[in-house]
Amino acid sequence: DAMVIQNPRYQVTQFGKPVTLSCSQTLNHNVMYWYQQKSSQAPKLLFHYYDKDFNNEADTPDNFQSRRPNTSFCFLDIRSPGLGDAAMYLCATRLSGRRGQPQHFGDGTRLSIL
Amino acid sequence: AQSVAQPEDQVNVAEGNPLTVKCTYSVSGNPYLFWYVQYPNRGLQFLLKYITGDNLVKGSYGFEAEFNKSQTSFHLKKPSALVSDSALYFCAVRDGAGTYKYIFGTGTRLKVLA
Repeated sequence: DAMVIQNPRYQVTQFGKPVTLSCSQTLNHNVMYWYQQKSSQAPKLLFHYYDKDFNNEADTPDNFQSRRPNTSFCFLDIRSPGLGDAAMYLCATRLSGRRGQPQHFGDGTRLSIL
Repeated sequence: AQSVAQPEDQVNVAEGNPLTVKCTYSVSGNPYLFWYVQYPNRGLQFLLKYITGDNLVKGSYGFEAEFNKSQTSFHLKKPSALVSDSALYFCAVRDGAGTYKYIFGTGTRLKVLA
C-alpha cells in the first residue's frame, strides 16, 4: 500500500544534541509538510514543500531546518533541541492540482529530550 | 483570516447512541473542510471532506458530516457509536484560496462508553 513512513517512531536525544527525523512516501505527492504536535493539541505547521520550493512558517524557530533531497524523502533537522521541543512530529503529503485533496499523514516520531 | 473552532474538548456518548462532534469555521471564499481522526500514538487519518455539492458528506467508518453555510458549521456525525470510535477528532479548513496550508481545530476527544 502506498503510504507515508516516518522513522524512527520514537527518538530520544540529549539536550542540545542535533537530531534528524525522516519521512518517506510512496504516494508520489509533490507537497510535503512537517508538523509539531504537543499533548493532543492541534498540529502546528513548521514548514512545507511545494515540489522543491521550501515554505517556512514565520513562527518556526531557526533551530528547525528541513531538507527534501527528492520527491520521496523529507528530513527534519533540529540543531540544538531544547526541552520545549519534546513533541510528536508528523509528516504529511498532498497531491496538488486536484481540488480539495486531503493530506496523508505518517504515524509520527515521538521525540523525547533528556 | 481563516479559522476553525471545536467548542468541545471532550464528548462522551454511550455505545449505540448517535454522536455529534461540532466544528464551526470562518473563511473568506469557498470553504474546503476536512475531518481527521487520531488514535493514540498514530498520525491523523482522513475521514471525509466537503468541497462543494451536497451538504451531507459521507466518509469512512460510517461517519458523515453536515455542511451548513448559514451557520458556518461542519459537524461530524455517526448514527450509532462504537467503543472503537473513541479517539481524538480534528476539524480542518484550507487556509485561503490557492494555498496548500490547512488550519486545524483544537481537537475533540470522543469517548464512547460501553
